[in-house]
Amino acid sequence: NAGVTQTPKFQVLKTGQSMTLQCAQDMNHNSMYWYRQDPGMGLRLIYYSASEGTTDKGEVPNGYNVSRLNKREFSLRLESAAPSQTSVYFCASSETGYNEQFFGPGTRLTVL
Amino acid sequence: GEDVEQSLFLSVREGDSSVINCTYTDSSSTYLYWYKQEPGAGLQLLTYIFSNMDMKQDQRLTVLLNKKDKHLSLRIADTQTGDSAIYFCAESILAYNTDKLIFGTGTRLQVFP
Repeated sequence: NAGVTQTPKFQVLKTGQSMTLQCAQDMNHNSMYWYRQDPGMGLRLIYYSASEGTTDKGEVPNGYNVSRLNKREFSLRLESAAPSQTSVYFCASSETGYNEQFFGPGTRLTVL
Repeated sequence: GEDVEQSLFLSVREGDSSVINCTYTDSSSTYLYWYKQEPGAGLQLLTYIFSNMDMKQDQRLTVLLNKKDKHLSLRIADTQTGDSAIYFCAESILAYNTDKLIFGTGTRLQVFP
């Protein structure tokens, strides 16, 4: 099992560009999450999907959209990137919404 | 509100015990977690404790929970250089369709020989 995979590992964008971060899990988990990690701060929840077909806002959803493409995949889209979105983005999954979360390796995004 | 606090740094000598502390504010937490993050990697679950427990031991790791003071600690016995990492505590709060994890800022543990 690969667990939770994320692509790309690194990305540099210019202000105003758009991009999609991809996340996939092969553990047959129902719930998936997107977090951002900034220096001196813990992980903050952007969006989550408790089950296939549902998505909900987390703590910091502004400037992002998500798609739960199927049970395996949960993508995060930045429509018009801003320097404030420079961060490390982590995807996670859990069997249900009430179990431990398994994290991917992260995507380091820089917006110039 | 929901808030989890940790000290930012801890430096210990190899072979000594490390104690990483965490305080949280939400008394409705169901589980409390400790995650480890090595450089350039994602978070790895180390251990967790259910909110109605006081202590959990798992090999070199001991978790203590003081619900009255909303204080959680992680003790690593016989700390090794491979334990150098950032350690995050997180509280799990029941939302309507999932648990939300609220993370602390992380404690960077440095182990020196």
